[in-house]
Amino acid sequence: QSVLTQPPSASGTPGQRVTISCSGSSSNIGSNSVTWYQQLPRTAPKLLIYSNSQRPSGVPDRFSGSKSGTSASLAISGLQSEDEADYYCAAWDDSLNGHVVFGGGTKLTVL
Amino acid sequence: QLQLQESGSGLVKPSQTLSLTCAVSDGSISSGGYSWSWIRQPTGKGLEWIGYIYNTASTYYNPSLKSRVTISVDRSKNQFSLKLSSVTAADTAVYYCARGGGIGVDVFDMWGQGTMVTVSS
Repeated sequence: QSVLTQPPSASGTPGQRVTISCSGSSSNIGSNSVTWYQQLPRTAPKLLIYSNSQRPSGVPDRFSGSKSGTSASLAISGLQSEDEADYYCAAWDDSLNGHVVFGGGTKLTVL
Repeated sequence: QLQLQESGSGLVKPSQTLSLTCAVSDGSISSGGYSWSWIRQPTGKGLEWIGYIYNTASTYYNPSLKSRVTISVDRSKNQFSLKLSSVTAADTAVYYCARGGGIGVDVFDMWGQGTMVTVSS
């Protein structure tokens, strides 16, 4: 059972906009920023979004992030087939002397 | 560009100690402001943070693994290591090393390719 809660799956057709939610608590998302990772099949995760909504260099602006209270969301607009991947949210959790927590992951299928 | 490469035993017997090393190339592990983490992923499951070391000496561990984990740095070899004791089948996973902390403690901007570790007799 992951500390951060994500839907196990999401889907959309090419060109659509999809969102993936990440729900936490006051000790993690409620008091710290959220990070998102993309994991393509059989590869290591890749940093996608940091500080709730910032994109590293090279990440298309089709990807955007937001946070409100103890929840965060990743939005992907203009969905493309290569976006089919697993997406994970993460945050620092202040409890138990502090540690990093991940969501369980959302498998995005492009129909 | 900095690269990370995991190495170590791919098969460990139950109750023994898992040992992995992450070699850092094209960059220094002593660079200020970064932490060096281990993260694992059981087959078909999600990511689990194991712990990190920063300033080559300070460590933070996942509370659920803390009693069994040791992360250390060898600055002379530009690498850091993971030891996980008393392993069981539940520790079978792909283990990744990653660099973090430049922006935030949970922001891992560089990852190794991962190495599969199986716990089995």
